[in-house]
Amino acid sequence: GIQVEQSPPDLILQEGANSTLRCNFSDSVNNLQWFHQNPWGQLINLFYIPSGTKQNGRLSATTVATERYSLLYISSSQTTDSGVYFCAVLGAYNAGNNRKLIWGLGTSLAVNP
Amino acid sequence: EADIYQTPRYLVIGTGKKITLECSQTMGHDKMYWYQQDPGMELHLIHYSYGVNSTEKGDLSSESTVSRIRTEHFPLTLESARPSHTSQYLCASSVAWGPQYFGAGTRLSVL
Repeated sequence: GIQVEQSPPDLILQEGANSTLRCNFSDSVNNLQWFHQNPWGQLINLFYIPSGTKQNGRLSATTVATERYSLLYISSSQTTDSGVYFCAVLGAYNAGNNRKLIWGLGTSLAVNP
Repeated sequence: EADIYQTPRYLVIGTGKKITLECSQTMGHDKMYWYQQDPGMELHLIHYSYGVNSTEKGDLSSESTVSRIRTEHFPLTLESARPSHTSQYLCASSVAWGPQYFGAGTRLSVL
């Protein structure tokens, strides 16, 4: 089945710094999402981005489907950005109803004041 | 912000108790999902539903059961809780194969 790899696994930043998180996937996808899991465990949708580029405030994401990767950019990081960032994909070729999100292991981000 | 609600947020119970974790969504989404997640670890799909009266087991074996009698409601039940069931349980919903939206989660601790 499709494999999802995220890098780096851990990241420590000073407040105000910029960062790039990467998600590689091993096959064609119909759906790619980036999530932020806050310290209270809640998963927040950041982007639904099977291809192209989107921006939302200080965050932006780019997916290059033909090269099978996606990048999440965080600019001017804040302490509230701390948490785990997950990438999840839905493979393009799973048949019928047998299609489930495949999750990466996440990037754990700590932003220090 | 997605309208998907989970209750309770936190639950501490003794071994052998029967529990039901509630999940409701007001978006009319046809698909709903339950995930289990241990602290700092990846999410594992334990149940999903593609519509009313449709439920399937996910990739991670679970002793829990689910039902989908109404579109908006997807409760998860443990008949006899054990310490090994201690985890966070996350409910999600989607329209077709579109983006999944998550509730706030239930942190379960079985003593």
